[in-house]
Amino acid sequence: DAGVIQSTRHEVTEMGQEVTLRCKPISGHDYLFWYRQTMMRGLELLIYFNNNVPIDDSGMPEDRFSAKMPNASFSTLKIQPSEPRDSAVYFCASSSGLAGSTDTQYFGPGTRLTVL
Amino acid sequence: TQLLEQSPQFLSIQEGENLTVYCNSSSVFSSLQWYRQEPGEGPVLLVTVVTGGEVKKLKRLTFQFGDARKDSSLHITAAQPGDTGLYLCAGVSDRGSTLGRLYFGRGTQLTVWP
Repeated sequence: DAGVIQSTRHEVTEMGQEVTLRCKPISGHDYLFWYRQTMMRGLELLIYFNNNVPIDDSGMPEDRFSAKMPNASFSTLKIQPSEPRDSAVYFCASSSGLAGSTDTQYFGPGTRLTVL
Repeated sequence: TQLLEQSPQFLSIQEGENLTVYCNSSSVFSSLQWYRQEPGEGPVLLVTVVTGGEVKKLKRLTFQFGDARKDSSLHITAAQPGDTGLYLCAGVSDRGSTLGRLYFGRGTQLTVWP
């Protein structure tokens, strides 16, 4: 198994530009999570999907952030327009179930976003 | 928001020393997880503790869940350079609207020198 795939490891963009982060979950996993990690705030859940449907987006910081999961094997997190304070490492994770059961969340390698 | 505080934030020790990392909260969690994260990688689950007072051992790592299910500790015996990394604790919410959601601490950065 290839694990969770985040093929873009580093993304650099300029303030005001649109940026799209991409994720391919582990095949067969019903849950997909987007997290953001910064030194100040640590690892925070932004949104998660169950069977391609957004369940909890309370962690999405502003309307500038949006996420989609058009099918079971692909998800995107878009920031438009981007701002320097959005600079962080964005992780995608997937699992067969929610934490607390026997299911484990598997994290991708992350995309380090720098907004100049 | 269910906050988890980890201490210390940074820990630098010599190979062979013992250490303990703490994870504390005012919230009760259904279970608590510990992860290890290496530079440029995502966190990897080490263990899940479920029952208050539970102790789990993984080789030289000992994890304990507090009786009230609000806090946890990770003890490493005879640390090795390969233990270097960011250790994260995560509480699993037991509240209806956030059931199963993970709340992470900011982590303890451990460096073990040879």
